[in-house]
Amino acid sequence: DADVTQTPRNRITKTGKRIMLECSQTKGHDRMYWYRQDPGLGLRLIYYSFDVKDINKGEISDGYSVSRQAQAKFSLSLESAIPNQTALYFCATRDLNTGELFFGEGSRLTVL
Amino acid sequence: SQQGEEDPQALSIQEGENATMNCSYKTSINNLQWYRQNSGRGLVHLILIRSNEREKHSGRLRVTLDTSKKSSSLLITASRAADTASYFCATDTGGGNKLTFGTGTQLKVEL
Repeated sequence: DADVTQTPRNRITKTGKRIMLECSQTKGHDRMYWYRQDPGLGLRLIYYSFDVKDINKGEISDGYSVSRQAQAKFSLSLESAIPNQTALYFCATRDLNTGELFFGEGSRLTVL
Repeated sequence: SQQGEEDPQALSIQEGENATMNCSYKTSINNLQWYRQNSGRGLVHLILIRSNEREKHSGRLRVTLDTSKKSSSLLITASRAADTASYFCATDTGGGNKLTFGTGTQLKVEL
């Protein structure tokens, strides 16, 4: 099983719908992140969490919200999806000892 | 805004050749990391170089860091078709303990 698991892997939805992307990890890391990837723009940070009680906005948090339900679970929500939120979304955890990020396989979201 | 910018945006080489990718960044860093992404997949960590290091090796990978020029390079020696992927640099500026990614270099290694 993957260390960082994202669901769903693919989702097509309509404008105005509420969408939740879920992430769970077995790495035991406190720090978790949500990134968005668009062609030509690299990865941009949406939200990050240092532990269950510590959630922080990234550079593009508008239109998104998150929930850290447990150390192992970090969910990203789009309350009312819009077409420019069509993108590939990645969840990641961070190993504080090595500094490296561990990524899930991504959730491809299409908003029509 | 992006902290890191990779150059070139795309690179096509023959198997066996070396591939060099460059990353420039804007602010002081604690460390710089390189990641690889196969098409549409999650990113995988390759190597980390700290701000007080100038060069680091891992297998066929060689990373250099020039903090005075705010730049880093990733060299892949004796490339293979399996090295075809996108490569991203990511900078850790320390505050908030988050990584900021560049726009990536798409490498294609042809047989």
